[in-house]
Amino acid sequence: KAGVTQTPRYLIKTRGQQVTLSCSPISGHRSVSWYQQTPGQGLQFLFEYFSETQRNKGNFPGRFSGRQFSNSRSEMNVSTLELGDSALYLCASSWTGRNGGELFFGEGSRLTVL
Amino acid sequence: DQQVKQNSPSLSVQEGRISILNCDYTNSMFDYFLWYKKYPAEGPTFLISISSIKDKNEDGRFTVFLNKSAKHLSLHIVPSQPGDSAVYFCAASASAGGTSYGKLTFGQGTILTVHP
Repeated sequence: KAGVTQTPRYLIKTRGQQVTLSCSPISGHRSVSWYQQTPGQGLQFLFEYFSETQRNKGNFPGRFSGRQFSNSRSEMNVSTLELGDSALYLCASSWTGRNGGELFFGEGSRLTVL
Repeated sequence: DQQVKQNSPSLSVQEGRISILNCDYTNSMFDYFLWYKKYPAEGPTFLISISSIKDKNEDGRFTVFLNKSAKHLSLHIVPSQPGDSAVYFCAASASAGGTSYGKLTFGQGTILTVHP
């Protein structure tokens, strides 16, 4: 079955702009999580959505937001981009998002902020 | 505050030998641990997991050991193969308090190189 699909794979933005990233989870998975990966900070949890509701949130500023649609697809948005937002953004899906079920990751969207 | 630490940035082993990757954690609330493998330009791929009620879990060539008193876990790969060369991430989650939803705390990763 198809894996987690993220679009776009690569994008370049300038400071001050905003960006929207999209994630289609594995069919049947209702939990979608987002992570940011940078060389300095590693993989850091952004937020998690289940049935269109945000259930969990990491320590990121309010410029980072997300949403989930009724078909479980999810988007994340970063407004007023800063140079430090350059990173690989990974989406992961699972059946429930709880312990006992591993997360399935997409290939990521690589954002470069100039 | 790095709650999950992989102190070895890299590890090099010969094909056929054992690879041992180590991970330490500080948060006593963690009760589920996972190992992921990541190739360049790909997302992390789940390898193996272990619940805190166990001290060992095996899956083929991969075995994870958990020492709760030492807050330490390790991944053993036997025998190692060149295709195992990748970055390995240790991750942990805590089920209490509803903070576990979709959230894994990752280590910084260890680059494993298996030489033919």
